[in-house]
Amino acid sequence: DGGITQSPKYLFRKEGQNVTLSCEQNLNHDAMYWYRQDPGQGLRLIYYSQIVNDFQKGDIAEGYSVSREKKESFPLTVTSAQKNPTAFYLCASSISRRYGYTFGSGTRLTVV
Amino acid sequence: GESVGLHLPTLSVQEGDNSIINCAYSNSASDYFIWYKQESGKGPQFIIDIRSNMDKRQGQRVTVLLNKTVKHLSLQIAATQPGDSAVYFCADFSSLQGTSYGKLTFGQGTILTVHP
Repeated sequence: DGGITQSPKYLFRKEGQNVTLSCEQNLNHDAMYWYRQDPGQGLRLIYYSQIVNDFQKGDIAEGYSVSREKKESFPLTVTSAQKNPTAFYLCASSISRRYGYTFGSGTRLTVV
Repeated sequence: GESVGLHLPTLSVQEGDNSIINCAYSNSASDYFIWYKQESGKGPQFIIDIRSNMDKRQGQRVTVLLNKTVKHLSLQIAATQPGDSAVYFCADFSSLQGTSYGKLTFGQGTILTVHP
């Protein structure tokens, strides 16, 4: 079945560490996105990529970095510069504007 | 600034009742809207969408109404079931840099609780 796989489901980070969240899709979608969700809040856009080797900052990109070396993969690195990283992170992809997004199941990141 | 927001943060209904979840948007250029359902610990799931050239769209047990005059969306769920309990988000879809791809802007969400 086609879909988006995020891993790990739960991730714990120590202060000062960088961590990388994985997002893989086999839907053959060109566009991929990372969103952050805080408790009781909507989703906020971190980064997006429309094609391989190209990505753009979203609304809250500070403290995060991404890469898009392959069409199927769009990993997100949460750096030590992100002062409040504890949140639920969602990856999504889309084929075009006509069809909206398909979301992964999310990664819950906690700073310990 | 542009925003998509919801009037009611929580809604409790009895099983079998109809539910109505409301959403307001401020971007008058918005022309495509999506409703998502999110269960605890999971990613959002597409429910139904509507384009600005429509006033109403029906799916299975769900109906979305769009009132462009007052920039208001609503999601109606018929015969609500316990499995409908979740957070419901409306989202505004806008183009990214003139491409065919879009950016979703989400509202805060409404928590729907269905009591047996």
